[in-house]
Amino acid sequence: EVQLVESGGVVVQPGGSLRLSCATSGFTFYDFAMHWVRQAPGKGLEWVSRISWNGVNTYYADSVKGRFTISRDNSKNSLYLQMNSLRAEDTALYYCAKDDGRSAGFHGHDAFDVWGQGTTVTVSS
Amino acid sequence: DIVMTQSPDSLAVSLGERATINCKSSQSVLYSSNNKNYLAWYQQKPGQPPKLLIYWASTREFGVPDRFSGSGSGTDFTLTISSLQAEDVAVYYCQQYYSDSRTFGQGTKLEIK
Repeated sequence: EVQLVESGGVVVQPGGSLRLSCATSGFTFYDFAMHWVRQAPGKGLEWVSRISWNGVNTYYADSVKGRFTISRDNSKNSLYLQMNSLRAEDTALYYCAKDDGRSAGFHGHDAFDVWGQGTTVTVSS
Repeated sequence: DIVMTQSPDSLAVSLGERATINCKSSQSVLYSSNNKNYLAWYQQKPGQPPKLLIYWASTREFGVPDRFSGSGSGTDFTLTISSLQAEDVAVYYCQQYYSDSRTFGQGTKLEIK
């Protein structure tokens, strides 16, 4: 069974830092790009970041560019999100999600077929 | 960024009736090299992560009931539930994965009338 389990969410002060982790199992992790998606309380989904299978290519939403860094460790089947200079508007449930591998020749362009349960980040003084 | 706009924001439909949700993208998500639309639909029930229902605008994910269907091309898309069941109460999101910066619609809340 494919599983994604996020961890690391806590309450942090504005301006603080945090590192989220996503432990994966049940699939060949290094074969797939991965994403972080967040959902503020009572709000919709916001894509945050993507990393290619080998970690070489990374992409960010404008709202987090320059503050967040996505990374992965294929030897540990794990995905990470380093979050710096946190703001109140970063408060959200953070999901990791897996590419479905069905890019049909448009490499790197896949839907998200598996999601974790999420980890909650609260930025508050 | 490609902006995704869903309509309506909320919808109440009687059990057994058809539900239709629309999604419009600010630019085409059709990849001309393979004639596929890079548009997905997700269902999110309270307290759960999103679940992939439809990819390439019209292909059902494995295990998704056939009452769910997707249609459209270019910039205009539709998710249809042919006969609403009680378990279909959820928020539905469209998402484009054509651009490197993925974007979601704002969501449509589907309820029972």
